[in-house]
Amino acid sequence: KAGVTQTPRYLIKTRGQQVTLSCSPISGHRSVSWYQQTPGQGLQFLFEYFSETQRNKGNFPGRFSGRQFSNSRSEMNVSTLELGDSALYLCASSDRAGYNEQFFGPGTRLTVL
Amino acid sequence: GQQVMQIPQYQHVQEGEDFTTYCNSSTTLSNIQWYKQRPGGHPVFLIQLVKSGEVKKQKRLTFQFGEAKKNSSLHITATQTTDVGTYFCAGTVRGNTPLVFGKGTRLSVIA
Repeated sequence: KAGVTQTPRYLIKTRGQQVTLSCSPISGHRSVSWYQQTPGQGLQFLFEYFSETQRNKGNFPGRFSGRQFSNSRSEMNVSTLELGDSALYLCASSDRAGYNEQFFGPGTRLTVL
Repeated sequence: GQQVMQIPQYQHVQEGEDFTTYCNSSTTLSNIQWYKQRPGGHPVFLIQLVKSGEVKKQKRLTFQFGEAKKNSSLHITATQTTDVGTYFCAGTVRGNTPLVFGKGTRLSVIA
Protein backbone atom coordinates (compact mmCIF):
# COMPACT_ATOMS: atom_id res chain seq x y z
CA LYS A 1 0.00 0.00 0.00
CA ALA A 2 1.23 3.46 -0.76
CA GLY A 3 1.85 5.64 2.26
CA VAL A 4 0.45 9.02 3.13
CA THR A 5 1.45 11.65 0.61
CA GLN A 6 1.61 15.38 1.14
CA THR A 7 2.07 18.17 -1.36
CA PRO A 8 3.91 20.36 -1.69
CA ARG A 9 6.90 19.21 0.32
CA TYR A 10 8.36 22.70 0.68
CA LEU A 11 6.78 26.09 0.50
CA ILE A 12 8.02 29.64 0.97
CA LYS A 13 5.49 32.38 1.49
CA THR A 14 5.48 35.95 2.75
CA ARG A 15 3.51 37.40 5.62
CA GLY A 16 -0.11 38.09 4.80
CA GLN A 17 -0.35 35.48 2.06
CA GLN A 18 -2.43 32.35 2.30
CA VAL A 19 -1.46 28.76 1.68
CA THR A 20 -3.20 25.46 0.96
CA LEU A 21 -1.60 22.13 1.81
CA SER A 22 -2.81 18.79 0.56
CA CYS A 23 -2.80 15.31 2.06
CA SER A 24 -3.73 11.99 0.50
CA PRO A 25 -4.25 9.27 3.11
CA ILE A 26 -3.48 5.60 2.81
CA SER A 27 -6.08 3.92 0.62
CA GLY A 28 -9.05 2.91 2.74
CA HIS A 29 -8.25 5.28 5.60
CA ARG A 30 -11.06 7.70 6.29
CA SER A 31 -9.54 9.57 9.23
CA VAL A 32 -7.07 12.36 8.55
CA SER A 33 -5.46 14.45 11.27
CA TRP A 34 -3.23 17.47 10.87
CA TYR A 35 -0.39 18.48 13.17
CA GLN A 36 1.98 21.43 13.35
CA GLN A 37 5.53 20.64 14.41
CA THR A 38 7.93 23.33 15.60
CA PRO A 39 11.13 23.08 17.62
CA GLY A 40 9.66 25.10 20.47
CA GLN A 41 6.14 23.67 20.75
CA GLY A 42 6.65 20.17 19.41
CA LEU A 43 3.76 18.36 17.74
CA GLN A 44 0.47 20.15 18.15
CA PHE A 45 -2.89 18.90 16.97
CA LEU A 46 -4.71 21.07 14.44
CA PHE A 47 -7.81 19.10 13.45
CA GLU A 48 -9.16 15.69 12.55
CA TYR A 49 -11.55 14.79 9.77
CA PHE A 50 -13.47 11.58 9.38
CA SER A 51 -15.80 10.94 6.47
CA GLU A 52 -15.74 14.63 5.50
CA THR A 53 -16.70 15.81 9.00
CA GLN A 54 -14.42 17.69 11.34
CA ARG A 55 -14.44 15.74 14.59
CA ASN A 56 -12.04 17.79 16.64
CA LYS A 57 -10.15 21.04 16.39
CA GLY A 58 -7.05 22.04 18.28
CA ASN A 59 -6.30 25.34 19.92
CA PHE A 60 -5.36 27.32 16.82
CA PRO A 61 -6.79 30.59 15.51
CA GLY A 62 -9.50 30.64 12.91
CA ARG A 63 -6.90 31.40 10.23
CA PHE A 64 -6.29 27.68 10.20
CA SER A 65 -8.99 25.69 8.47
CA GLY A 66 -9.36 22.41 6.72
CA ARG A 67 -11.66 20.15 4.83
CA GLN A 68 -11.93 16.60 3.66
CA PHE A 69 -13.26 15.37 0.37
CA SER A 70 -15.37 12.32 -0.41
CA ASN A 71 -12.25 10.40 -1.46
CA SER A 72 -10.75 11.12 2.01
CA ARG A 73 -8.13 13.49 0.65
CA SER A 74 -7.77 16.48 2.89
CA GLU A 75 -6.58 20.04 2.58
CA MET A 76 -5.66 22.58 5.17
CA ASN A 77 -5.58 26.29 4.59
CA VAL A 78 -3.80 29.02 6.49
CA SER A 79 -4.82 32.56 5.71
CA THR A 80 -3.00 35.79 6.53
CA LEU A 81 0.26 34.03 7.23
CA GLU A 82 2.40 35.13 10.16
CA LEU A 83 6.09 34.50 10.77
CA GLY A 84 5.17 32.13 13.59
CA ASP A 85 3.34 29.86 11.17
CA SER A 86 6.68 28.60 9.87
CA ALA A 87 6.66 24.93 10.72
CA LEU A 88 6.49 21.39 9.47
CA TYR A 89 2.86 20.50 8.82
CA LEU A 90 2.21 16.81 9.14
CA CYS A 91 -0.87 14.91 8.22
CA ALA A 92 -1.63 11.46 9.53
CA SER A 93 -4.22 8.94 8.50
CA SER A 94 -5.90 6.16 10.39
CA ASP A 95 -8.28 3.42 9.42
CA ARG A 96 -10.71 4.35 12.17
CA ALA A 97 -12.14 7.47 13.71
CA GLY A 98 -10.41 8.43 16.89
CA TYR A 99 -6.74 8.38 17.65
CA ASN A 100 -5.46 4.94 17.00
CA GLU A 101 -2.22 4.20 15.21
CA GLN A 102 -1.43 7.26 13.16
CA PHE A 103 0.36 6.88 9.83
CA PHE A 104 2.21 10.11 9.16
CA GLY A 105 3.08 11.63 5.83
CA PRO A 106 6.47 13.24 5.09
CA GLY A 107 5.13 16.69 5.88
CA THR A 108 5.12 20.08 4.22
CA ARG A 109 7.85 22.44 5.36
CA LEU A 110 6.36 25.96 5.34
CA THR A 111 8.61 28.97 5.67
CA VAL A 112 7.02 32.39 6.12
CA LEU A 113 9.25 35.36 5.36
CA GLY B 1 -5.78 21.40 29.46
CA GLN B 2 -4.13 18.04 29.31
CA GLN B 3 -0.34 18.11 29.34
CA VAL B 4 2.17 15.40 28.57
CA MET B 5 5.68 15.93 29.86
CA GLN B 6 8.59 13.94 28.59
CA ILE B 7 12.10 13.65 30.03
CA PRO B 8 14.90 13.91 29.34
CA GLN B 9 14.86 16.32 26.42
CA TYR B 10 18.18 15.00 25.12
CA GLN B 11 20.20 11.88 25.78
CA HIS B 12 23.63 11.03 24.45
CA VAL B 13 24.79 7.45 24.92
CA GLN B 14 27.64 5.26 23.84
CA GLU B 15 26.63 2.47 21.53
CA GLY B 16 25.75 -0.53 23.65
CA GLU B 17 24.49 1.48 26.61
CA ASP B 18 20.86 1.42 27.67
CA PHE B 19 18.43 4.32 27.25
CA THR B 20 15.18 5.25 28.94
CA THR B 21 12.70 8.04 28.28
CA TYR B 22 9.82 8.87 30.60
CA CYS B 23 6.42 10.31 29.91
CA ASN B 24 4.07 11.84 32.50
CA SER B 25 0.52 13.05 31.99
CA SER B 26 -1.37 15.56 34.06
CA THR B 27 -4.51 13.45 33.64
CA THR B 28 -5.38 9.77 33.49
CA LEU B 29 -4.99 8.45 29.99
CA SER B 30 -7.15 6.10 27.98
CA ASN B 31 -4.13 4.93 26.04
CA ILE B 32 -0.60 5.96 25.25
CA GLN B 33 1.29 5.64 22.01
CA TRP B 34 4.97 5.87 21.20
CA TYR B 35 6.46 7.19 17.98
CA LYS B 36 9.97 7.50 16.61
CA GLN B 37 11.09 10.28 14.28
CA ARG B 38 14.42 9.94 12.54
CA PRO B 39 16.32 13.16 11.71
CA GLY B 40 14.65 14.75 8.70
CA GLY B 41 11.86 12.20 8.80
CA HIS B 42 8.33 11.91 10.06
CA PRO B 43 6.95 10.19 13.16
CA VAL B 44 6.54 6.44 12.85
CA PHE B 45 4.22 4.54 15.15
CA LEU B 46 5.94 2.10 17.49
CA ILE B 47 3.29 0.83 19.87
CA GLN B 48 0.08 1.54 21.76
CA LEU B 49 -0.55 0.64 25.41
CA VAL B 50 -4.06 0.62 26.83
CA LYS B 51 -4.07 -1.40 30.06
CA SER B 52 -2.95 -0.32 33.49
CA GLY B 53 0.48 -1.79 34.25
CA GLU B 54 0.89 -3.09 30.71
CA VAL B 55 4.37 -4.06 29.53
CA LYS B 56 5.15 -4.75 25.90
CA LYS B 57 8.43 -5.67 24.24
CA GLN B 58 9.66 -5.24 20.72
CA LYS B 59 13.10 -6.80 20.39
CA ARG B 60 15.36 -4.43 22.38
CA LEU B 61 12.54 -1.97 23.19
CA THR B 62 10.41 -2.31 26.34
CA PHE B 63 7.35 -0.15 26.87
CA GLN B 64 5.51 0.25 30.16
CA PHE B 65 2.22 1.90 31.10
CA GLY B 66 1.91 2.91 34.74
CA GLU B 67 -0.61 1.45 37.13
CA ALA B 68 -2.42 4.79 37.40
CA LYS B 69 -2.30 5.23 33.60
CA LYS B 70 -0.62 8.60 34.00
CA ASN B 71 2.92 7.67 33.10
CA SER B 72 4.82 5.54 30.68
CA SER B 73 8.38 4.66 29.78
CA LEU B 74 10.36 3.38 26.83
CA HIS B 75 13.57 1.50 27.53
CA ILE B 76 16.06 0.51 24.85
CA THR B 77 18.62 -2.14 25.75
CA ALA B 78 22.06 -2.01 24.19
CA THR B 79 21.50 0.95 21.89
CA GLN B 80 22.63 0.85 18.28
CA THR B 81 23.29 3.69 15.86
CA THR B 82 20.02 2.82 14.14
CA ASP B 83 18.19 3.89 17.31
CA VAL B 84 19.11 7.54 16.71
CA GLY B 85 16.08 9.82 16.53
CA THR B 86 13.47 11.53 18.64
CA TYR B 87 11.05 9.40 20.62
CA PHE B 88 7.62 10.83 21.32
CA CYS B 89 4.90 9.65 23.60
CA ALA B 90 1.32 10.67 22.87
CA GLY B 91 -1.69 10.15 25.05
CA THR B 92 -5.40 10.51 24.77
CA VAL B 93 -7.88 10.96 27.58
CA ARG B 94 -10.71 9.25 25.72
CA GLY B 95 -10.82 7.47 22.42
CA ASN B 96 -12.44 10.39 20.67
CA THR B 97 -10.16 13.11 22.00
CA PRO B 98 -7.03 14.17 20.14
CA LEU B 99 -3.61 12.80 20.93
CA VAL B 100 -1.45 15.09 23.04
CA PHE B 101 2.21 14.64 22.25
CA GLY B 102 5.13 15.03 24.60
CA LYS B 103 7.97 17.19 23.28
CA GLY B 104 10.10 14.13 22.73
CA THR B 105 13.47 12.84 23.77
CA ARG B 106 16.23 13.19 21.21
CA LEU B 107 18.59 10.22 21.36
CA SER B 108 22.13 10.38 20.01
CA VAL B 109 24.20 7.24 19.88
CA ILE B 110 27.98 7.53 19.71
CA ALA B 111 29.64 4.62 17.94
